Parts: sequence; structure tokens; C-alpha cells
Amino acid sequence: EPEVTQTPSHQVTQMGQEVILRCVPISNHLYFYWYRQILGQKVEFLVSFYNNEISEKSEIFDDQFSVERPDGSNFTLKIRSTKLEDSAMYFCASSEQGKYFGPGTRLTVT
Amino acid sequence: AQSVTQPDIHITVSEGASLELRCNYSYGATPYLFWYVQSPGQGLQLLLKYFSGDTLVQGIKGFEAEFKRSQSSFNLRKPSVHWSDAAEYFCAVGDWEYGNKLVFGAGTILRVKS
Repeated sequence: EPEVTQTPSHQVTQMGQEVILRCVPISNHLYFYWYRQILGQKVEFLVSFYNNEISEKSEIFDDQFSVERPDGSNFTLKIRSTKLEDSAMYFCASSEQGKYFGPGTRLTVT
Repeated sequence: AQSVTQPDIHITVSEGASLELRCNYSYGATPYLFWYVQSPGQGLQLLLKYFSGDTLVQGIKGFEAEFKRSQSSFNLRKPSVHWSDAAEYFCAVGDWEYGNKLVFGAGTILRVKS
């Protein structure tokens, strides 16, 4: 069964550094998403992406964040100048009558 | 604004016993409802979804959920719990089946005792 994949599984970075989280959505899906889950908290929507542009973003998704679909398969989330509070599990999802989530990237900002 | 409430933070059931996890939502139009399961350190696995039609939906791993519009509920059930069902369960509501965001509940942690 096709699945969403994410790399890396765990990323440790220093405060102020830039990170790029990578996702490969399910191949025939057209809608892509990033969510995050801070430890012990709810899963929160960050951004949705369709037809090579952002279709909706939350208030969390400020200028520090950007998304890109650089080729036909990858979908990336870039976090510029990371902060301690960006430490979380970041989930990519793609959608075809139900959102299918990847296994997540645990980002630790030190 | 959409919201989801899962009233039970933790539930403990004996292996072989039945299970019901509660979910209440707040949404003005027809909701699109989902249940996900998350094992420790793992991603979110879609158990089942409701878009329209039959209000009792079947999912994977023997789970089912019933949509009750009058109660704004979408409770998850399983007739006989297995130890491997121990995990965290999330209810979520969306505005349509494809696009935009899901709003998640806080989750219910299921413990299974043998």
C-alpha cells in the first residue's frame, strides 16, 4: 500500500539554524499538508498546498516557514532561524478522500 | 470555528473487553470526520472516515464509528480490544474530504490490561 514518507526521522539543530524537512507524498495525491505536534499537545495544522501554491495556512505559519514542491515527488518544509519552541514532531500528509500522514520528523532545537 | 472534544484523556480496558472512545465536534456545516491512531513514536494512521451516507462506518483493525448529528458525536468502538490496540487515538474534523486543514482533538490514550 502506498504511503507518505518523511526524512529525516530525527533532526537536531541549534537555535538560529535553518532546517529543511522532506516529504514524499503518495504519488497520485494532489493536496499536501504540514502539521506539527509539540510534545504532549494537540496535532496542529500548519499549511496546505495545492497546484503549486499555498491554499491555506495557520497563524503559526509565519515568515519563518516556507514550503516548496521542488520536483514531481518531494514536498519540503523549511524553517528559517529555528527557535527552541519549534521543537516538535512535524507530520507531512497528502490527501485523497482522507488525509494520509507520514511517520513524522522529530525536530529538536537546542 | 471548528473544534473537537475528546472528553477522556486516558481509558483503561481489559483485553477482550469492548471499547468506546468519545468524540464531540463543533462545526456549522456537514462535517468530515476522521479517527486516527498513533502508537508511541509513530505517525498517524487513518482508522476510518465519515463523509456522508451510512452513519455507521467500518474501519481497519476491527474499529467502527457512528456519526450522530443530533449529538454532534462520532464515537469510536471496538467489540473486543487486543493488547496491540494500546495507543493514542485522535478524532479530527475537516471541512471537506480533500482540502485544507483538519482540526484535531486532544487525543485519548488507551491502555489495555491483560
